[in-house]
Amino acid sequence: AQSVTQLGSHVSVSEGALVLLRCNYSSSVPPYLFWYVQYPNQGLQLLLKYTTGATLVKGINGFEAEFKKSETSFHLTKPSAHMSDAAEYFCAVSPNRDDKIIFGKGTRLHILP
Amino acid sequence: DAGVTQSPTHLIKTRGQQVTLRCSPKSGHDTVSWYQQALGQGPQFIFQYYEEEERQRGNFPDRFSGHQFPNYSSELNVNALLLGDSALYLCASSSVAGRGTDTQYFGPGTRLTVL
Repeated sequence: AQSVTQLGSHVSVSEGALVLLRCNYSSSVPPYLFWYVQYPNQGLQLLLKYTTGATLVKGINGFEAEFKKSETSFHLTKPSAHMSDAAEYFCAVSPNRDDKIIFGKGTRLHILP
Repeated sequence: DAGVTQSPTHLIKTRGQQVTLRCSPKSGHDTVSWYQQALGQGPQFIFQYYEEEERQRGNFPDRFSGHQFPNYSSELNVNALLLGDSALYLCASSSVAGRGTDTQYFGPGTRLTVL
């Protein structure tokens, strides 16, 4: 069975500082991995996805994530946080693109002025 | 190009009632998945429809049922509502034919409150 663990339900960073949101997964097959962002009272927006190929994935809004198979991790980073990055972030895994997506519990990112 | 749309935006029901939520997929998509997101939690997979059939199902009781129409739109029905059914219900669409280039896109959700 596949699962996702997001370390830290709340993360606070100062504006301009590095953002690091941690995600570990378990999967019996090579997974597809995703990061979604959810702003208050809105649906989910795809930030980036890893399917195959290059393990460093670049997404929207300056975010990127690196697939590390040996560590079963897919951490999300952004070099410099903006106030507009404050939101809930979900790491997710799927055995294939059209299968069900299994989400982590989410990490709420707070940006300090 | 319209993305995934859902209706209604908000809904208030009482325990024991039945509710129907609607979803129109992104243009060109033929597969619809439904998720339940309880407050403070990640979304949980309810079921997925393709070619008007339930393709796979998550760990939800039979009170949760669905339907997909020939135009690929979908409905989620919940019978005998419980307080615990209060959640944001998200619809996601994808394309089987586009496998390899596409992924699931989510709608804005329907906020269901059960009193």
